[in-house]
Amino acid sequence: AQLTESGGGVVRPGTTLRLSCAASGFSFSSYGMHWVRQAPGKGPEWVAVLAHDESEEYYGDSVKGRFTISRDNSKNMLYLQMNSLRIEDTAVYYCAKDRLGLVLDAFDIWGQGTIVIVSS
Amino acid sequence: DIQVTQSPSTLSASVGDRVTITCRASENLNQWVAWYQQKPGKAPKFLIYKASVLQSGVSSRFSGSGSGTEFTLTISSLQPDDFATYYCQQYSNYPTTFGQGTKVEI
Repeated sequence: AQLTESGGGVVRPGTTLRLSCAASGFSFSSYGMHWVRQAPGKGPEWVAVLAHDESEEYYGDSVKGRFTISRDNSKNMLYLQMNSLRIEDTAVYYCAKDRLGLVLDAFDIWGQGTIVIVSS
Repeated sequence: DIQVTQSPSTLSASVGDRVTITCRASENLNQWVAWYQQKPGKAPKFLIYKASVLQSGVSSRFSGSGSGTEFTLTISSLQPDDFATYYCQQYSNYPTTFGQGTKVEI
């Protein structure tokens, strides 16, 4: 099982960025998928989750209304659309698979991360 | 949000030592706690779920215990590969939250 993120970069405050996560080696359409970020020197911070069938979608308070999680089960892809970016969104962004497909669960597979830097 | 607090923040130990990391929660988590190991520049590695269940492939040196609001991760005999930062995660309720980490150093 493998997750590979892409799409990070250096952007100005107020701009947008779209992250992608390619999944392989497991039945992607059976599991809830998450985005988790980690600012430099800090612990992980959960960002968003989307259920396997898109029936449930939740966000952390710090990104609610600005970020949108989506998935394409036909392509084994997860996305994070990030709008109105702020300096405090600077972090390594990981996609992660939940263990049993329960949405609220531990994360058994993580990608290698993609770096997002928001700077003026 | 449920707060999870790890202690200590840093732990100095030697190869062969038994080390224990504690995670305390602001609310009852039942057994919905996971533990992860992270090395610099790498993604977290999943170690334990449901407070005490070892993920497949993880060394039996690692063990977890606890329920309610207090949980522990124990490494029975520290090996060179175990020097890393460890995080607990509560998944009792949204938003799922992580502790601030415990760095195990030489």
